Amino acid sequence: KQEVTQIPAALSVPEGENLVLNCSFTDSAIYNLQWFRQDPGKGLTSLLLIQSSQREQTSGRLNASLDKSSGRSTLYIAASQPGDSATYLCAVTRSNDYKLSFGAGTTVTVRA
Amino acid sequence: GAVVSQHPSRVICKSGTSVKIECRSLDFQATTMFWYRQFPKQSLMLMATSNEGSKATYEQGVEKDKFLINHASLTLSTLTVTSAHPEDSSFYICSARGGAHNQPQHFGDGTRLSIL
Repeated sequence: KQEVTQIPAALSVPEGENLVLNCSFTDSAIYNLQWFRQDPGKGLTSLLLIQSSQREQTSGRLNASLDKSSGRSTLYIAASQPGDSATYLCAVTRSNDYKLSFGAGTTVTVRA
Repeated sequence: GAVVSQHPSRVICKSGTSVKIECRSLDFQATTMFWYRQFPKQSLMLMATSNEGSKATYEQGVEKDKFLINHASLTLSTLTVTSAHPEDSSFYICSARGGAHNQPQHFGDGTRLSIL
């Protein structure tokens, strides 16, 4: 069974600081890995998707890395802003059935 | 593109009521739709997978008679929580996928269900 863990569960930083969010998964048989953003009481917004054959993806201030063999991914957010405050979820697509397994998320607060 | 609309966004109702939640793909045909449940500060848990025109497949531990899923068209799936009780209160999110199994899922905005 695929288990996805995100550490830390919560993070508070001053504006301008870089953010580092961690995700680990137990089964390396993944098709891809996604990072999502979730605002309170809202659905999910996809931020980055990394295929299993890729090492990283970048979009603006966001960069995500993937080390499939060690079961880890890291999301970096550069120069954080108060608008980055949200919960960030990591999810892996399982290779056997293409279903998503989610972590519990990291709740980020960026202080102005 | 790839917009999924979920309705209603919030429901408050009395215990024993049945509640229907709709999930629509607005600009693509969703061959598969997924229903998730999320408790506060916990991860999304897959409840069931539905393919257009066939019966839904439920995850272990999910009562299919409690959570009725219908996927009658390529753009609409519904989740009905039957005879809802306070323990059914949760955040329900749908997602939709078009085409092959390896295509990404697109998520709705979720429904906050509160049973009094």
